[in-house]
Amino acid sequence: GENVEQHPSTLSVQEGDSAVIKCTYSDSASNYFPWYKQELGKRPQLIIDIRSNVGEKKDQRIAVTLNKTAKHFSLHITETQPEDSAVYFCAASSTDSWGKLQFGAGTQVVVTP
Amino acid sequence: DAMVIQNPRYQVTQFGKPVTLSCSQTLNHNVMYWYQQKSSQAPKLLFHYYDKDFNNEADTPDNFQSRRPNTSFCFLDIRSPGLGDTAMYLCATSRGTAWRGDYGYTFGSGTRLTVV
Repeated sequence: GENVEQHPSTLSVQEGDSAVIKCTYSDSASNYFPWYKQELGKRPQLIIDIRSNVGEKKDQRIAVTLNKTAKHFSLHITETQPEDSAVYFCAASSTDSWGKLQFGAGTQVVVTP
Repeated sequence: DAMVIQNPRYQVTQFGKPVTLSCSQTLNHNVMYWYQQKSSQAPKLLFHYYDKDFNNEADTPDNFQSRRPNTSFCFLDIRSPGLGDTAMYLCATSRGTAWRGDYGYTFGSGTRLTVV
């Protein structure tokens, strides 16, 4: 089955700096890669996703890049703000697994003013 | 408007006393999932329904069961909760692979279960 590794487990950044979280996946059949943001005690919220036919996708301060050859994808947050503080999860799924998401272990992001 | 609704938001149950968590959706999605999320960990898939087809993860304990009586509702039954079952239980829905590869999930707010 799919295995997703996520690094780092914690990330502290100064407000205004950039944050980068990296994930690797094992199943070459995976073709959908979402990123979720989860604030304490709340549900995971989809913030951006990318499909395997695209190398990069951007939405305002958030971007995701995908390297299919190396089987890794990354989340980039620019101009970080205190409200970006949360746990971020990457995930992967494939057509062969009924769209079932396999999550990474999560990254605790702390943005300090 | 809430599209995936979980009840209750908080549940305290005694060790060994059966408990049922519920999830309902207004999205008419084919697939409904149950995830268990323990403190500071990633969500872990317990099982999912694709329409009426039930799919159990290999490492989901037998203590956990699920029912999906119709498209809108799905239940998680824990027959004899142990202290280690204290966790947030998240329900999610998606269109599934039948919809042109649109796998986007919608999560409910979760039920925080405490076993005492």
